[in-house]
Amino acid sequence: DQQVKQNSPSLSVQEGRISILNCDYTNSMFDYFLWYKKYPAEGPTFLISISSIKDKNEDGRFTVFLNKSAKHLSLHIVPSQPGDSAVYFCAASEEYGNKLVFGAGTILRVKS
Amino acid sequence: KAGVTQTPRYLIKTRGQQVTLSCSPISGHRSVSWYQQTPGQGLQFLFEYFSETQRNKGNFPGRFSGRQFSNSRSEMNVSTLELGDSALYLCASSPDPGLYGEQYFGPGTRLTVT
Repeated sequence: DQQVKQNSPSLSVQEGRISILNCDYTNSMFDYFLWYKKYPAEGPTFLISISSIKDKNEDGRFTVFLNKSAKHLSLHIVPSQPGDSAVYFCAASEEYGNKLVFGAGTILRVKS
Repeated sequence: KAGVTQTPRYLIKTRGQQVTLSCSPISGHRSVSWYQQTPGQGLQFLFEYFSETQRNKGNFPGRFSGRQFSNSRSEMNVSTLELGDSALYLCASSPDPGLYGEQYFGPGTRLTVT
């Protein structure tokens, strides 16, 4: 039973344009959501997070939106850069503990 | 600060053998979690340790076990290896297990079972 779903296995975007990565979840107990980026041969790197009490969080070129009623979150990258090409994982956790539930990941390719 | 380190980086084992993987967290981090990444299942939570105690456990068979030492270093052990155990094993550390939040991942140990 996949509690966190990333339905797009891959996304290709032109440099300078917006990249939108989507994530859906089913567990209403999830209270905190995170995005990680992963390059080949490296571990995932934390990108940005959002608490369920918010609907938007920004950090530079990265913005995460949360729609609790739809159990949906998205990551916007503006403008996209070739160095953003990586696998992006959506993750969620309940209030306590570090047990992260990850989505399957979306491969982002930014073309120059 | 040095990041999370994992040893060894690559490992080849035969079915039926056992293996031990090691993780050193970021200095000052007291919580260590382990994840398995496979192409079919993605990243799956194995277990979390804090103060030498297992706090959370994922849905893995008892062949998968772990421990944490007083210096926060952690090891995970897989006994009676199966072909399906071939995966990237990732360790992550964080300062406080009581707060959800960012975890810092190591580069992983690539285990191949033949």
